[in-house]
Amino acid sequence: EVQLVESGGGLVQPGGSLRLSCAASGFTFSSYWMHWVRQAPGKGLVWVSRINSDGSSTSYADSVKGRFTISRDNAKNTLYLQMNSLRAEDTAVYYCAREATGTFYLWGQGTLVTVSS
Amino acid sequence: DIQMTQSPSSLSASVGDRVTITCQASQDISNYLNWYQQKPGKAPKLLIYDASNLETGVPSRFSGSGSGTDFTFTISSLQPEDIATYYCQQYDNLPPAFGGGTKVEIK
Repeated sequence: EVQLVESGGGLVQPGGSLRLSCAASGFTFSSYWMHWVRQAPGKGLVWVSRINSDGSSTSYADSVKGRFTISRDNAKNTLYLQMNSLRAEDTAVYYCAREATGTFYLWGQGTLVTVSS
Repeated sequence: DIQMTQSPSSLSASVGDRVTITCQASQDISNYLNWYQQKPGKAPKLLIYDASNLETGVPSRFSGSGSGTDFTFTISSLQPEDIATYYCQQYDNLPPAFGGGTKVEIK
């Protein structure tokens, strides 16, 4: 089955760190650019970060630049998001998404990150 | 960055009604526009890509049109299972930007 499964979310204090994972299966993970998109409670979708197929190129939203790092392990078919210096406004469901020609064709189920003391 | 303005933010319609949602880009994005459906507690699902192409398996009552800066998404005959929030998304430039969403409810 073609799917993406996120994990690693949870409750973290402001200033803390968390690493999200996204396990891919059912397709050739190394062929696709991958993204993280987040959704604060009751709010809309916001793009967070992107990585190309071999991991050599990354991009970030201004709101997370310098704090978040996207990476991937194509041997393990896994995408990561290392989140440092977390703030209350980072509280959201984080989705990983598979992209082709700018379109998000496949999404994971999401993992909730709550930043609170 | 390109801004996407979606309207209305919510609407209520009866089963069988025609529903139309608009999305306006802050600059010309050609046809680099997608539409997604998100049901409560679920991940978004692609419905329309490249402004007017129906994703495989999506019912034909969904359609999209437009180019440049103005786009339209239509449900030709609203069904109870269409209750969801709908988002447009541009991919002409980084960062990919989503509209604010339109919540569709049954009257």
